[in-house]
Amino acid sequence: AQKITQTQPGMFVQEKEAVTLDCTYDTSDQSYGLFWYKQPSSGEMIFLIYQGSYDEQNATEGRYSLNFQKARKSANLVISASQLGDSAMYFCAMRDRNVGGALIFGKGTTLSVSS
Amino acid sequence: NAGVTQTPKFRILKIGQSMTLQCTQDMNHNYMYWYRQDPGMGLKLIYYSVGAGITDKGEVPNGYNVSRSTTEDFPLRLELAAPSQTSVYFCASSWAGGTGELFFGEGSRLTVL
Repeated sequence: AQKITQTQPGMFVQEKEAVTLDCTYDTSDQSYGLFWYKQPSSGEMIFLIYQGSYDEQNATEGRYSLNFQKARKSANLVISASQLGDSAMYFCAMRDRNVGGALIFGKGTTLSVSS
Repeated sequence: NAGVTQTPKFRILKIGQSMTLQCTQDMNHNYMYWYRQDPGMGLKLIYYSVGAGITDKGEVPNGYNVSRSTTEDFPLRLELAAPSQTSVYFCASSWAGGTGELFFGEGSRLTVL
């Protein structure tokens, strides 16, 4: 079964700084994908970025990039130039074919951005 | 395009009552999921469906039931509500079972007193 581990319960960063949110995963699949979602205090789940296991380049979406290290089984989210609106809970996840492709989530990291 | 719609958004139940959380998607997705999220925690899978007429249990199915009579609808039934079912419930859907992101509803906050 897939497993996602996020070891940072909370992270603090100042505006305009970059921050890295850690994620490690475990899977026996050769083909898989890693996802990051953002959950602001309003509660909705917002998809941020996706990395496929066979993608040669690290994924990027605006200020978000994914530092994918396959051999280390890590998929860290990097947020550049943090903004106050980035304050939220961030979840790393991967799909599990054993349960109909459901996303299996880590416990999340709360990011607080201060001015 | 509404995406995934959940109703109600908020509900308070008494212990032992029953209710149904409704979930509808208008994206013609075959795959649908129900999750629960307890305070400060990640999402846990309750039930999933890979198509109309097909449902299966996830990690935490006890106390819940689902049905999938149409592609669009995936209601979650709570029987004999207990305080342990106080949580935020999310419905989600996707095109395929292995790739692509899940699209989430806005969540339903349920309190059992």
